[in-house]
Amino acid sequence: AQKVTQAQTEISVVEKEDVTLDCVYETRDTTYYLFWYKQPPSGELVFLIRRNSFDEQNEISGRYSWNFQKSTSSFNFTITASQVVDSAVYFCVLSGAGSYQLTFGKGTKLSVIP
Amino acid sequence: NAGVTQTPKFRILKIGQSMTLQCTQDMNHNYMYWYRQDPGMGLKLIYYSVGAGITDKGEVPNGYNVSRSTTEDFPLRLELAAPSQTSVYFCASTPTGAGGQPQHFGDGTRLSIL
Repeated sequence: AQKVTQAQTEISVVEKEDVTLDCVYETRDTTYYLFWYKQPPSGELVFLIRRNSFDEQNEISGRYSWNFQKSTSSFNFTITASQVVDSAVYFCVLSGAGSYQLTFGKGTKLSVIP
Repeated sequence: NAGVTQTPKFRILKIGQSMTLQCTQDMNHNYMYWYRQDPGMGLKLIYYSVGAGITDKGEVPNGYNVSRSTTEDFPLRLELAAPSQTSVYFCASTPTGAGGQPQHFGDGTRLSIL
């Protein structure tokens, strides 16, 4: 069975602070995919990034960066110099290579205070 | 591009009423999905479809029905609304069922059963 754990339910930071959202996953698949989605207060789901299990390179996209470590089954997400517009619920999501089925974490609600 | 379109955006139902949540996509995707999102939780799969005329149950199908008469449309029907079905419903699509594809989500339907 697959499982995604986002231990941080809610985080509050002051604008311009850096913040890291934790994600730990469990799977028996040798090939799998990990995603991060953002859900702003307006409610839609916005795809941010996808990684496959064979690519452990960290990735940076503007103020966003992702740290994927298979050894600890973690796929953490860091926002540098946070902004009020980053306030949202962030979901870490897992899927198997041969499956469309997604396993969602419960999400981390990030509040960036001006 | 419209992508995935859901209607209505909000709806209040009385216990025992029925309704259909509409979902249509204009990307010619074969796979379509219905999820529900309960407060403070990630998404759970209700039903999915791999193509016109083919549907199957997901993790939480009880109390719902679906049909897929065309590639574009994938309506979700609630026959006898119950308070436990108060949730936000998301429709999504992917070109195929292969793992690793980001799902394209609609903006959601917020449904309250009173």
